[in-house]
Parts: sequence; C-alpha cells; structure tokens
Amino acid sequence: NAGVTQTPKFQVLKTGQSMTLQCAQDMNHEYMSWYRQDPGMGLRLIHYSVGAGITDQGEVPNGYNVSRSTTEDFPLRLLSAAPSQTSVYFCASSLMTGRDTQYFGPGTRLTVL
Amino acid sequence: QQQVKQSPQSLIVQKGGISIINCAYENTAFDYFPWYQQFPGKGPALLIAIRPDVSEKKEGRFTISFNKSAKQFSLHIMDSQPGDSATYFCAAASSGSARQLTFGSGTQLTVLP
Repeated sequence: NAGVTQTPKFQVLKTGQSMTLQCAQDMNHEYMSWYRQDPGMGLRLIHYSVGAGITDQGEVPNGYNVSRSTTEDFPLRLLSAAPSQTSVYFCASSLMTGRDTQYFGPGTRLTVL
Repeated sequence: QQQVKQSPQSLIVQKGGISIINCAYENTAFDYFPWYQQFPGKGPALLIAIRPDVSEKKEGRFTISFNKSAKQFSLHIMDSQPGDSATYFCAAASSGSARQLTFGSGTQLTVLP
C-alpha cells in the first residue's frame, strides 16, 4: 500500500494563479481531509469529506474548493492564490471519521508570491 | 479561536531526561485526545491516544496523563532520546456529528545527545 500520496511536493505560484493539489489514498478510507500547517498555529482543517460525493467546510475554507468524485481521490483547488495561502498543506485519510487514526500524506509546500 | 492550547512552543531536553508537553481544552464535549508526532519533512503520525474514562495511558516510554476536571492533558516522554526530536501535536475530538480533530499549535522538542 502506498498510503496517502500528495502531488506536487513543492509549488510556487504568483498571486491570482489557480492550481490543484492532488491527494490519493489506497486504503479504502471513507474520511479524507485537508489541513494547512503554519508556524505557531498547528494544523487547521480546510475541508473534509465523509465519503464520495460528500464534502464540508472546516475551520479555514475561504479561497479553497474541494470535490470527492471517488473514494480514493480528494483534490484541493486554490481558486485565486494569495500570499496568505503560503503554507504547507497536508491531506489525511481515516477509516470513517476524524476520530479514527488519521494517516497523513507527506505534504505540499506552497509559496505564493 | 483556539479550542486546544498547547505549551510550551519549544522544549530542549538532555538525553535521558523527561519531556513534558501540556494541553488544555475548552470544549467539554471533547472525548478523544490523541497525540501526533511529526518529523521534519514528513506528515504527522499518531503516537498515542486517550479517552476520558481513564486518567493515564502508557505505551513504552510515552505516557498521556488526563485531568478531566481541569480540562488538561499532557504527554510525558521518559528517558528522552535524540530520535524523539520532532514536533508534537495534541488534538481533541468529540463524538458529536462533526467528529473532526482540533489540533494544538505544536511543540518542537529537541533532545540533546
């Protein structure tokens, strides 16, 4: 099993550009989530999904979109990148809910100029 | 609004010493308290977790102490080793409909050889 994979590992964007961060898991987990990690602020939940076709907002959803067309994939879209979105982004999956053990991907380091 | 407050932000301990990281929460609905460990360049990974029906849980050199009345819990690392140098996050979740993890701000632990 590859676990949770994320691409790309690094990305530099200019303000206003859009992009999609990819996340995939091969553990047949129902619950998937996106977090951003900023110094001194821990991990903050952006969006999450409890199954294919079902998504919901987390703590910091503004400027991000998600969709879940399959159990395996949960892409995160930045609509119009802003410098405030410079961060490290982690995708995670767990069996059923956020209370189950979450398995994190290796992260994507995004810089917005 | 941070529902889980973690301290200290950084901690330096000598090899063989005891590392103690503290967390406090506000939401009395929280009933699941995991700790995640993150090495540089990697995603967080579950280290140990506790539910409020017990006051202490031990796994090897790692112990969680839980004080329900004070709404506090802590991670103790006995006989700290240089390989324990990492960032540690406490987290909390409830069994309610959201069931999302709320993370603390993280503690960067350095164990000196």
